[in-house]
Amino acid sequence: QVQLVQSGAEVKKPGASVKVSCKVSGYTLTELSMHWVRQAPGKGLEWMGGFDPEDGETIYAQKFQGRVTMTEDTSTDTAYMELSSLRSEDTAVYYCATLNGSYPYWYFDLWGRGTLVTVSS
Amino acid sequence: QLVLTQSPSASASLGASVKLTCTLSSGHSSYAIAWHQQQPEKGPRYLMKLNSDGSHSKGDGIPDRFSGSSSGAERYLTISSLQSEDEADYYCQTWGTGGVFGGGTKLTVL
Repeated sequence: QVQLVQSGAEVKKPGASVKVSCKVSGYTLTELSMHWVRQAPGKGLEWMGGFDPEDGETIYAQKFQGRVTMTEDTSTDTAYMELSSLRSEDTAVYYCATLNGSYPYWYFDLWGRGTLVTVSS
Repeated sequence: QLVLTQSPSASASLGASVKLTCTLSSGHSSYAIAWHQQQPEKGPRYLMKLNSDGSHSKGDGIPDRFSGSSSGAERYLTISSLQSEDEADYYCQTWGTGGVFGGGTKLTVL
């Protein structure tokens, strides 16, 4: 059974960076396409980016281009999402999620439990 | 532009059925979607993938009470025999140049 285990809550000051991890168990990371979705307090789900299985590259939502970096350590089956230049509006729960399906109808079929990132001075 | 539209709220009585709707924007009526459930204070949970012809495949452990159907640009999630634990936010999701989510429907079980 595949599980996604995320790192613990973080509190950061404006302008800092945060790096959230998502460890895969029950599968190897190379068999999955990992993505990141966030949810601000009381708001809906917002896709940030992830691994595109069609072209084998990491893609980012335009909103986060230049500020987010998603990486993977296949030796530990752990995916990372780093967001820089944090501002108060980045306060949210960050989820990792695996992408499934086939082009062009991809969907998320497994979610981590989320990591709360609070940005406050 | 690919957009998914959901009603912000819905309600139904315990033991009854409810049908939630997700509408695809113009020109995208052939798109498949997925439904996700988010119970209070929890992360999302994948329910099912729903194709334009109404065929659907559910995630592991999803009860038979949950079913999907389609008509034109509309995608439906029907929950029958409502239980208290079905009170949750329900999101539809598809794929354009990246992940696209509807705004979510908050379901209240009366």
